[in-house]
Amino acid sequence: QEKVQQSPESLIVPEGAMVSLNCSFSDSASQSIWWYQQHPGKGPKALISIFSNGNKKEGRLTVYLNRASLHVSLHIKDSQPSDSAVYLCAVRNTGANTGKLTFGHGTILRVHP
Amino acid sequence: EAAVTQSPRNKVTVTGGNVTLSCRQTNSHNYMYWYRQDTGHGLRLIHYSYGAGNLQIGDVPDGYKATRTTQEDFFLLLELASPSQTSLYFCASSEGTEQYFGPGTRLTVL
Repeated sequence: QEKVQQSPESLIVPEGAMVSLNCSFSDSASQSIWWYQQHPGKGPKALISIFSNGNKKEGRLTVYLNRASLHVSLHIKDSQPSDSAVYLCAVRNTGANTGKLTFGHGTILRVHP
Repeated sequence: EAAVTQSPRNKVTVTGGNVTLSCRQTNSHNYMYWYRQDTGHGLRLIHYSYGAGNLQIGDVPDGYKATRTTQEDFFLLLELASPSQTSLYFCASSEGTEQYFGPGTRLTVL
């Protein structure tokens, strides 16, 4: 069964800082990796996904995937207090086309003004 | 944007009680999922479905039943609730790999 581990568990940064979140997974054949954001009292919401080795940029977000090292990272540029949330890494499993995802435990981010 | 609603938002029951959690999605997605979220365990998949009448077992199914009555509606049933089932429950739907989550139901089993 796929295992997804995230680090750090929590992070506190000042407004404007660059934030780096890490995620490692166990199956090199995993199809795609997603990052979800979850604000307190809300359901998770998809932020960005990546399938191919390399990087992908969307606005202030950049994600890097290295399948050889089974590692993916999310970088948030110019962080804002509204970015304070739990960030979940999720890996789409191989096999049947179920859209099934395996989630990590999350990183708690707090951006202080 | 995909819309997923859940009811009730909060529920308190006693050990041995029967509980039904409801989920509705209005985007005609084929796939629907039930997760529980607990500190130290993250989000764990209980059951999922890829259409009305279809049910698939997730990673932590013990003590739970599910039923998908229509394309829109997916229910999670706890027939003999136990304190270990106290948790935050999320429903999600998808057509591809992006999953759209509801707001969650907080269940407390005393």
